Amino acid sequence: QVKLVQSGAEVKKPGSSVKISCKASGGTFSTYTIGWLRQAPGQGLEWMGGIIPIVGAANFAQKFRGRVTITADKSTSTAYMELSSLRSQDAAIYYCARDVGLGEGFDMWGQGTMVTVSS
Amino acid sequence: EIVLTQSPVTLSLSPGERATLSCRASQTVSSSQLVWYQQKPGKAPRLLIYRASIRATGIPDRFSGGGSGTDFTLTISRLEPEDFAVYYCQHYGSSPPMYTFGQGATLEIK
Repeated sequence: QVKLVQSGAEVKKPGSSVKISCKASGGTFSTYTIGWLRQAPGQGLEWMGGIIPIVGAANFAQKFRGRVTITADKSTSTAYMELSSLRSQDAAIYYCARDVGLGEGFDMWGQGTMVTVSS
Repeated sequence: EIVLTQSPVTLSLSPGERATLSCRASQTVSSSQLVWYQQKPGKAPRLLIYRASIRATGIPDRFSGGGSGTDFTLTISRLEPEDFAVYYCQHYGSSPPMYTFGQGATLEIK
């Protein structure tokens, strides 16, 4: 059974960057889509982008294009999401999640990583 | 860009009652790309339904999904105490790849 384990909570200053990892264990990693999503306090879910590790190319929501980098290391079954130029509105819980069949939903989620942006 | 609007925003019901949540798309979408999730406080979302009507692994049969075109529904036939949560619908668009969520609907105990 695949499990996604994310890196720990982060506190960042405005204008800086945050990089979150998502390590998969217990199953196939490279052939599925790994998506990155976030949820601001009391708000809904927002998709940021994703990657299919075996392909390597990432795609992004228009809102985050130019500010987010998504990569994957097949050798360690780990995906990464880096968000730059942080502002207070980026404070949220960030999730990685797996979509095993395009459009069939994210069936496995990481535990979430809380990012606080504060000066 | 497709916009998903969920209604009602909040639904207050009692255990044992039937719940129906709606998800309306701003344009016709394929049923094969419509998904429902449940989220409880402090937890990651849980996949409930994919392809509009197929229950994910381990999801009780009191959950059912339906609809087509622009109107989709999630029905919980008889509410259990653990069903009170926030529900999201989501659409996947393939060209370019994009995942769009509804704003969420809260199912609360009356």
